Amino acid sequence: NAGVTQTPKFQVLKTGQSMTLQCAQDMNHEYMSWYRQDPGMGLRLIHYSVGAGITDQGEVPNGYNVSRSTTEDFPLRLLSAAPSQTSVYFCASSVRGGKSDTQYFGPGTRLTVL
Amino acid sequence: AQSVAQPEDQVNVAEGNPLTVKCTYSVSGNPYLFWYVQYPNRGLQFLLKYITGDNLVKGSYGFEAEFNKSQTSFHLKKPSALVSDSALYFCAVRDKDSGYSTLTFGKGTMLLVSP
Repeated sequence: NAGVTQTPKFQVLKTGQSMTLQCAQDMNHEYMSWYRQDPGMGLRLIHYSVGAGITDQGEVPNGYNVSRSTTEDFPLRLLSAAPSQTSVYFCASSVRGGKSDTQYFGPGTRLTVL
Repeated sequence: AQSVAQPEDQVNVAEGNPLTVKCTYSVSGNPYLFWYVQYPNRGLQFLLKYITGDNLVKGSYGFEAEFNKSQTSFHLKKPSALVSDSALYFCAVRDKDSGYSTLTFGKGTMLLVSP
């Protein structure tokens, strides 16, 4: 199993540009989520999904959209990038999203918005 | 609401000495507690978790953590530190008994082990 994969690893955008961060998992996990990591702030939840066709907002959803058309994929879309979205983005998955479930993280995407 | 505090931004320890990385939590019900480690330019890796039962939880790479309900703490420990343990460590919590189910992370503690 490849686990959780993310592409690209690095990305530089100009303010106002759009892009999609890709996330895929091959563990047949129902629960997937997106976090952003900023220095001194830990990880903050952006959006999550408890299964195909079901998504919900996390702590910091503004400026981001998600969809979940398949169990495997959970892309994160930035519609109009802003410098405040410069961060490292992590995708994670777990079996069912149960409260005791372990989350497995991808390697991250480092995004810079100029 | 649930929250996690990691009071130390950085912990320095010499190789071979015991290490402790502190974590305290706040939940309205009972907690599920997790420790993750992040090596440079890598994603987070699961170390261990407390669900129920024995207060001393053993995890990967020789790490263990002690759940203390009265002090609302879940400190990460290792008897003998290695230079390769140098990394960023995150504590995380979920409230077992509330409807709020997402995972809340602390800000992280950088562990530096000197040779």
